Amino acid sequence: EPEVTQTPSHQVTQMGQEVILRCVPISNHLYFYWYRQILGQKVEFLVSFYNNEISEKSEIFDDQFSVERPDGSNFTLKIRSTKLEDSAMYFCASSGNNEQFFGPGTRLTVL
Amino acid sequence: GEDVEQSLFLSVREGDSSVINCTYTDSSSTYLYWYKQEPGAGLQLLTYIFSNMDMKQDQRLTVLLNKKDKHLSLRIADTQTGDSAIYFCAVSTDSWGKFQFGAGTQVVVTP
Repeated sequence: EPEVTQTPSHQVTQMGQEVILRCVPISNHLYFYWYRQILGQKVEFLVSFYNNEISEKSEIFDDQFSVERPDGSNFTLKIRSTKLEDSAMYFCASSGNNEQFFGPGTRLTVL
Repeated sequence: GEDVEQSLFLSVREGDSSVINCTYTDSSSTYLYWYKQEPGAGLQLLTYIFSNMDMKQDQRLTVLLNKKDKHLSLRIADTQTGDSAIYFCAVSTDSWGKFQFGAGTQVVVTP
């Protein structure tokens, strides 16, 4: 069964450093998303991406964040200068046939 | 904006039925989903229902939708210890749109 994959599973970084979280969506899906889940809190929408551009973004998705689909298979989330409050689980998702499938997540820890 | 509410905890005996409830505020929510999250894992799509349906059954899972009251429920028949997890309700106005998640209901199944 096709699935969304994410790497790395866990990333530890120092405050102020840049991180890139990677995702490989399901191959025939056209819509891609990033969500995050701070420990003990709700899963929050960050951004959706379609046709090589952002289709919607939340207030959380400020200038420190960017997304890219560099090669037609990977979908990346970049955080330019990480803050302590960016520590969370980041989920990538892709959508097709009315179903949105999520990856296993990347746990980002900012020290 | 959309608000999605769930009760936080449910304890159920093995073999009994579990019922997890969810309410939402946006009447234009058309796609309503249930996800399961086991400890340390990602979000597993369990089932979903469209707003033009009242009920959907999928093996041990039954989803009921009361559109008038904006109330969604997930019933798990013959609950097993492997059903212990956090269950998230998520709603969207489009099949490709962002999801709004509830806070999750932790289901604990006791022998």
